[in-house]
Amino acid sequence: DQQVKQNSPSLSVQEGRISILNCDYTNSMFDYFLWYKKYPAEGPTFLISISSIKDKNEDGRFTVFLNKSAKHLSLHIVPSQPGDSAVYFCAASAYSGAGSYQLTFGKGTKLSVIP
Amino acid sequence: KAGVTQTPRYLIKTRGQQVTLSCSPISGHRSVSWYQQTPGQGLQFLFEYFSETQRNKGNFPGRFSGRQFSNSRSEMNVSTLELGDSALYLCASRVSGEGTDTQYFGPGTRLTVL
Repeated sequence: DQQVKQNSPSLSVQEGRISILNCDYTNSMFDYFLWYKKYPAEGPTFLISISSIKDKNEDGRFTVFLNKSAKHLSLHIVPSQPGDSAVYFCAASAYSGAGSYQLTFGKGTKLSVIP
Repeated sequence: KAGVTQTPRYLIKTRGQQVTLSCSPISGHRSVSWYQQTPGQGLQFLFEYFSETQRNKGNFPGRFSGRQFSNSRSEMNVSTLELGDSALYLCASRVSGEGTDTQYFGPGTRLTVL
């Protein structure tokens, strides 16, 4: 049972336009959400996060929106740049016992920004 | 501050062998988690270690094991390798593992089982 879903395996966007990456989750115990970016042959790098008590968090060109009632979050990149081309993973955090919060990842969306 | 390091970066093994992967966390980070990434499957959680104790485990067979040392460095071992174990193995560290504690990933070890 996939608790975090990224339904679009890939997305192509023109340089300068907005990229919107979506993520849905099913577990209502998730209370913290993160986006990671991954280039080939590298580990994922942290991009931006949002707590469940907020509905928006912004960091430069990146904004994450959280809709708790719909169990949906999205990452907006404006404007998109060719260097943003990578695989983006959505992750959700929930308490898993023994003082630990465990991350559950989606399968990723490959973003291609076309010059 | 140095990032998470993993050694080796690439490994080729044959079925039935065993393998040990190593991870050095960011200085001051006491929690180390391991993930397996295969094409189309995202990142699958293997286990987490904190203060030399495994405190969380994913849904993987007992052939996958790990340990953590007093300096927070961690090793992961896979015994009796199968073809399906071919994957990118990622290590991530964080300060303690609380809810808003960000995990930072290493570059991964690419394991190929022939």
